[in-house]
Amino acid sequence: NAGVTQTPKFQVLKTGQSMTLQCAQDMNHNSMYWYRQDPGMGLRLIYYSASEGTTDKGEVPNGYNVSRLNKREFSLRLESAAPSQTSVYFCASSALAGEGRTDTQYFGPGTRLTVL
Amino acid sequence: AQSVTQLDSQVPVFEEAPVELRCNYSSSVSVYLFWYVQYPNQGLQLLLKYLSGSTLVKGINGFEAEFNKSQTSFHLRKPSVHISDTAEYFCAVSRTYGGSQGNLIFGKGTKLSVKP
Repeated sequence: NAGVTQTPKFQVLKTGQSMTLQCAQDMNHNSMYWYRQDPGMGLRLIYYSASEGTTDKGEVPNGYNVSRLNKREFSLRLESAAPSQTSVYFCASSALAGEGRTDTQYFGPGTRLTVL
Repeated sequence: AQSVTQLDSQVPVFEEAPVELRCNYSSSVSVYLFWYVQYPNQGLQLLLKYLSGSTLVKGINGFEAEFNKSQTSFHLRKPSVHISDTAEYFCAVSRTYGGSQGNLIFGKGTKLSVKP
């Protein structure tokens, strides 16, 4: 049981390049999330997907796109990378606990992205 | 709108001493509360959570937290810390988006440094 997996673990891009971060979960969760973590800022939600076929913007969606490929996979794309997108990116998945609120979110190991 | 404040960005403590990491939240509706731990260069893992019921919640690694509705707090405690508890700790609250998908709002984190 791998939980949540992310690829790649590390990436260096030049300004303007594009890339896709991959995420997969094997816990049969309906909900998946992408966060970014910056020093002193905690985790900020970029996009989330409540279920297969749906995606919604989070707190900091500008410069990103997502695709919920199927129930297991949720990818994050940077179309034209900028230095401000240098960060650590985490994918997570969860079930819902009732009343529309998320239960425990399970996190992947993260992708460390540097944009030069 | 919900928000989470972690009152201390850094907490240094000696091994075998007790520790309390403080978390306050604001919300006009009932919430679910979580504490996560992040070890260096790793993802986040759940320490404990409060969904309902007993206000004293016990988690992994000897940690516990108490939900105090009147003070809107969810402080994390451990009676005797170990060097291996050195990590960053995040408090989070689960909220709803118009009754549909719920998400987590994270505090900015508290770095616990345990010294010998």
